[in-house]
Amino acid sequence: DGGITQSPKYLFRKEGQNVTLSCEQNLNHDAMYWYRQDPGQGLRLIYYSQIVNDFQKGDIAEGYSVSREKKESFPLTVTSAQKNPTAFYLCASTLGGDYNEQFFGPGTRLTVL
Amino acid sequence: RKEVEQDPGPFNVPEGATVAFNCTYSNSASQSFFWYRQDCRKEPKLLMSVYSSGNEDGRFTAQLNRASQYISLLIRDSKLSDSATYLCVVNMGTNAGKSTFGDGTTLTVKP
Repeated sequence: DGGITQSPKYLFRKEGQNVTLSCEQNLNHDAMYWYRQDPGQGLRLIYYSQIVNDFQKGDIAEGYSVSREKKESFPLTVTSAQKNPTAFYLCASTLGGDYNEQFFGPGTRLTVL
Repeated sequence: RKEVEQDPGPFNVPEGATVAFNCTYSNSASQSFFWYRQDCRKEPKLLMSVYSSGNEDGRFTAQLNRASQYISLLIRDSKLSDSATYLCVVNMGTNAGKSTFGDGTTLTVKP
């Protein structure tokens, strides 16, 4: 089955630690995205990538970093510089352009202890 | 002002009711529009794309009014399974597939 996988589903982090969230897709999609969702709010774009080895900052990139070394993979690192990292993180992919739906992974819930 | 604003809700309706959600967007250059459904603690999933001519899928009807910069979603004959949060999504036409999401409107359908 084609789809997007994210791991882990739940992640606990101590303050000051960097953590990396995994996102893999086998849909052969060119574009991939990372969003953050806080309770009662919509999704906010962290980073996106339209092609391998290229990515752009979204609206709330500070404290996060990404890489896109393979078409299938778009990992997100939440660094210690992110002051309020507790949130629901969603990865998505699309064929590209503005008229195609985004397909989402099941998400990772990150809690900072 | 947010780029995409939705009815704050929540909406609590009985089974069989008709309910409508509205969403306004601020960027007149926006190109494409969608409604996504998000169940509690799950990922969003596409419900419908919204076209200028309006479109219908069973009990769901979506409409776009470019002049007034709003889109709507109408749900007829509500089912218990329609209970979810509905997200309005707008793409700004940058060809990057960048989407702006509304905060969502929560619907609860009661027996």
